[in-house]
This record gives sequence, C-alpha cells and structure tokens, in this order.
Amino acid sequence: ILNVEQSPQSLHVQEGDSTNFTCSFPSSNFYALHWYRWETAKSPEALFVMTLNGDEKKKGRISATLNTKEGYSYLYIKGSQPEDSATYLCAFIRNTGNQFYFGTGTSLTVIP
Amino acid sequence: ETGVTQSPTHLIKTRGQQVTLRCSSQSGHNTVSWYQQALGQGPQFIFQYYREEENGRGNFPPRFSGLQFPNYSSELNVNALELDDSALYLCASSFRPSASPLHFGNGTRLTVT
Repeated sequence: ILNVEQSPQSLHVQEGDSTNFTCSFPSSNFYALHWYRWETAKSPEALFVMTLNGDEKKKGRISATLNTKEGYSYLYIKGSQPEDSATYLCAFIRNTGNQFYFGTGTSLTVIP
Repeated sequence: ETGVTQSPTHLIKTRGQQVTLRCSSQSGHNTVSWYQQALGQGPQFIFQYYREEENGRGNFPPRFSGLQFPNYSSELNVNALELDDSALYLCASSFRPSASPLHFGNGTRLTVT
C-alpha cells in the first residue's frame, strides 16, 4: 500500500493570514507530484505539476515547493482570501505506472 | 474548449444491481481515468484508458469495468453493486497518461441501498 499523507486535515485562518500545508509521499520511484484545488460544488482544478527535486512553482499568491529526496511538498498561500477556501489535494505519480495516488486533502477555510 | 462532463449527477441503486456511469473527455484529450472517492478519503484510482485500451488499474475487483470510445469518451460499469460502492465517482481526462494535469468532471454521486 502506497501512502500519500496530507497535513493538517483541516485549517481555519483569518483573511490576510498566510498559511501552508504539507504533502508527504514515498521518496523512491518518484515521477511527478500534482496539486489540485477543489472548491465546494465544483470539480478539482489543477494548480501545479512538479517533476524535479527543488522545483518551486508559483501562481499568484499560491506557491509550492518539492523535495523528492525526503518525500514532501509544501503548498503556501500568502495573504489568504475567502475565495481560497477549498480542499487542497496532492497526488503522487510513480515512475513505474500511470496511477495517481491522492492524499485525503487539507480543507482550508478562510474567515472574512 | 469543452470541459469534462459526467452523467448522471446523482444515482440511487439497490444492492446487486448494475450501473453505468458516463464521461465525455475534454476536447483534445486521449486519456481518461476514473476515481472513487468515499467519505473522508482521497480519490482512489480505479483505472485509466489511453486510446481505447486499459492503461493501468487500481485495487478494484473485476466487477468494476470500463470502456473508452473512439471519440475518447468513457464508461464505468459496476456489476453486483455493494453498499460500500456508495461514493462520488470522478472522471478525469488528460492529454497524456501521467505527465499532464488531470481535468476533472463534477462527478457522479452513487448511493447503493
């Protein structure tokens, strides 16, 4: 069984706060790590596709880093806004197949 | 571009019945994956189709089967439904099997009673 773990499970922050959460995955057979944002009543939307150790990606106020040697990725949100409220999922892909292994997600609520 | 659409949005079936869920992939995408999301869990990979061939399968029994059509739309069939099959079923399309981001539909909520 391959475990992808995300922490924390849920998070409540005030508008304007910066926050971050973690995705942990196996450090062997790495191919790619994806981040998705899933807003209520919508479908999951891709944020980042990360493939290289040390990768840093940025999209507006959201950024992500990747450490494949130790098996973790961080997602950062700077100056959280209510529209950032969503569940953030990471997915690990091995270099031995096409299966995406998703974590259980971090549910973020930004309080106005 | 047309996004991923799934039908139906909700479905109620009884134990032992069979169900077919449908997915139209985003235009230009040749890969479709299906996921099951049970309450409190992340999406679990069921299988993937690439150019009409099964291209990977997760830890699901053979009563979960699928098809991909020449237009790259797809079906998920589940036979002999069990109560534990109650879940949200997500379809996702992509341009390539594992290197491209997934584009998800809104899902089908299946309830088995």
